[in-house]
Amino acid sequence: AQSVTQLGSHVSVSEGALVLLRCNYSSSVPPYLFWYVQYPNQGLQLLLKYTSAATLVKGINGFEAEFKKSETSFHLTKPSAHMSDAAEYFCAVSDRTSYDKVIFGPGTSLSVIP
Amino acid sequence: EAQVTQNPRYLITVTGKKLTVTCSQNMNHEYMSWYRQDPGLGLRQIYYSMNVEVTDKGDVPEGYKVSRKEKRNFPLILESPSPNQTSLYFCASSFWGAHNEQFFGPGTRLTVL
Repeated sequence: AQSVTQLGSHVSVSEGALVLLRCNYSSSVPPYLFWYVQYPNQGLQLLLKYTSAATLVKGINGFEAEFKKSETSFHLTKPSAHMSDAAEYFCAVSDRTSYDKVIFGPGTSLSVIP
Repeated sequence: EAQVTQNPRYLITVTGKKLTVTCSQNMNHEYMSWYRQDPGLGLRQIYYSMNVEVTDKGDVPEGYKVSRKEKRNFPLILESPSPNQTSLYFCASSFWGAHNEQFFGPGTRLTVL
C-alpha cells in the first residue's frame, strides 16, 4: 500500500530565508505527486503536481518541487519565504494504475518569522 | 464562480442523531470525494465517487454513507454519529479522477457530544 511521510510537523523559517518541506513516498511505481496548501480556516488548494513530464515542477507563489526517483522524494522549496506563506502544507500521492484514491501525508505547518 | 460548497459549515450534535452534510460542485466534475482532517493525521479519504451512481470506500469509511444521484451533489451521511467522528470534513471534486487537481470546499467542522 502507498504511504506518504512528511519529515517535520512544524517548520519555522525567517522571512527571506529558504523554505524546504520534505516529502517521501513509498510506491514501486512512481505515482502522481501533489503539494497542496491550506491557509487558516480554508480548504486546500493545489500548489503543484508531478506527472512525469519534468522532474522539476514549478508551482504557484514561487514554489517548486523536485522529483527524485532514487530517493522516492518530492521535496517542496521556495528560495525566499514571505509572511503570507505561513500555512499547512500537505504532500499527496495518487496511484498511476488507478485514478480513484489519494493518500495525503500528515502535513507540515510552516511558520514565517519576521 | 467555480466552486465547491458545503453545508453546514459548523455543526454540533449529539451521539446517535442522524445528520447529513451536503456537498455541491458547479464545475461538471466526474470525481468527488470526502475527507476528514484530524491533527497529526492529515486528510484521510472516507468515500469517493468516480461518477453518478458509482461510489466506493476510501480508507476510513466506517460509520459513514454517501450517495451520488446527481453529478453535482455528493452528500455525506452519518446514520448514528459517535464522538470519534468529531472532525473537520472536506468535500473535493476533480475532472475524471484523483490523479487530477482536486478543488476543495471550505470544510465542515463537526462536533459530536
